[in-house]
Amino acid sequence: DSGVTQTPKHLITATGQRVTLRCSPRSGDLSVYWYQQSLDQGLQFLIQYYNGEERAKGNILERFSAQQFPDLHSELNLSSLELGDSALYFCASSVEAGNTGELFFGEGSRLTVL
Amino acid sequence: EDQVTQSPEALRLQEGESSSLNCSYTVSGLRGLFWYRQDPGKGPEFLFTLYSAGEEKEKERLKATLTKKESFLHITAPKPEDSATYLCAVQGMEYGNKLVFGAGTILRVKS
Repeated sequence: DSGVTQTPKHLITATGQRVTLRCSPRSGDLSVYWYQQSLDQGLQFLIQYYNGEERAKGNILERFSAQQFPDLHSELNLSSLELGDSALYFCASSVEAGNTGELFFGEGSRLTVL
Repeated sequence: EDQVTQSPEALRLQEGESSSLNCSYTVSGLRGLFWYRQDPGKGPEFLFTLYSAGEEKEKERLKATLTKKESFLHITAPKPEDSATYLCAVQGMEYGNKLVFGAGTILRVKS
């Protein structure tokens, strides 16, 4: 158990809809990262927050947004969903903002868009 | 742009049959190279960090090494429980903690 909690574990929705994925980092970790894993793209970095502020941005679509709240949990919002958004979405956390690649991953949220 | 290429895509070994996985990378200023293990339906689990060429790290049957262009994950006398996908990632000089992952090597160890 990594200590990172993600909900929901599975989500099935239709094209055009909007969903919210939730992540609680390990106790004491200030950084939260979101990654997307699909069969053809592998693990792709989406976005990083550190103590409530955006720290780094990857190939995150404009239809996607994220935030980190004062209690350090984070949410990833996916809107106007397309079939190609079906993937595993992982949240990871670390203590520091940028000095370590030792990330602790949650078990992921599997999104299926029909 | 930072890139990571892992080979082979899949590897089948008999229990006890040692082998190596390869991770080739290009990065503008390496801050670190990382190995992760991912079991089906689970998130990646951190294994090693390597920072400079010549560095080696060991954990049980696994040994990771690093050169200026590639890293190897050596598996000595593997057991069925070593079966997993092994992911390599690099961290470049870009601000923040962005990791660029390779596609992974799927390892199956048969008893």
